Amino acid sequence: GAGVSQSPSNKVTEKGKDVELRCDPISGHTALYWYRQSLGQGLEFLIYFQGNSAPDKSGLPSDRFSAERTGGSVSTLTIQRTQQEDSAVYLCASSRSSGSSYEQYFGPGTRLTVT
Amino acid sequence: QQQVKQSPQSLIVQKGGISIINCAYENTAFDYFPWYQQFPGKGPALLIAIRPDVSEKKEGRFTISFNKSAKQFSLHIMDSQPGDSATYFCAASNGGTASKLTFGTGTRLQVTL
Repeated sequence: GAGVSQSPSNKVTEKGKDVELRCDPISGHTALYWYRQSLGQGLEFLIYFQGNSAPDKSGLPSDRFSAERTGGSVSTLTIQRTQQEDSAVYLCASSRSSGSSYEQYFGPGTRLTVT
Repeated sequence: QQQVKQSPQSLIVQKGGISIINCAYENTAFDYFPWYQQFPGKGPALLIAIRPDVSEKKEGRFTISFNKSAKQFSLHIMDSQPGDSATYFCAASNGGTASKLTFGTGTRLQVTL
């Protein structure tokens, strides 16, 4: 079946612009995670959704970052007023449910470059 | 605060050799320890995982060894193949209902002919 998909695959934006990154989880997966992968910081957790609610937003680095999930499916990560330090690969993962019994399946990521 | 420390940063192994990657954690609440494999341009993919109630888990050529008292765990890749060349990440989570993963910094493995 189809895996986790993310769009766009690459995004180049100017400093100060807003960007939206999209994640389509595996059908039926209720849990959705956003991570960020950068050279300096490795793989970092950003936010987690169970259904449409986000019980854990502890990894969002600033209030410029926000995310939502609608219909228990698609999620959008929005970065406002982008900065150069936001350049990274943003990864989305989904799992059948929350809890460590369930494997997280990752998408290919969106490579964001802020110029 | 780096809660999962991974070493080495890079590793070169000859075909047929054993690749060993080590991780150490600090948070004793962690109770799930997966290893992920990532190829360039792809997202991480789960390779093998272990819980602290066992000291070793083997799946094919891949083995996790776990030492709870030392708070360390390692990945062994037996009979390493060029197709194993990738970046490997250890991770940990504390289960419950959140299960967000805390990752190590990654090890770039190159298997030479």
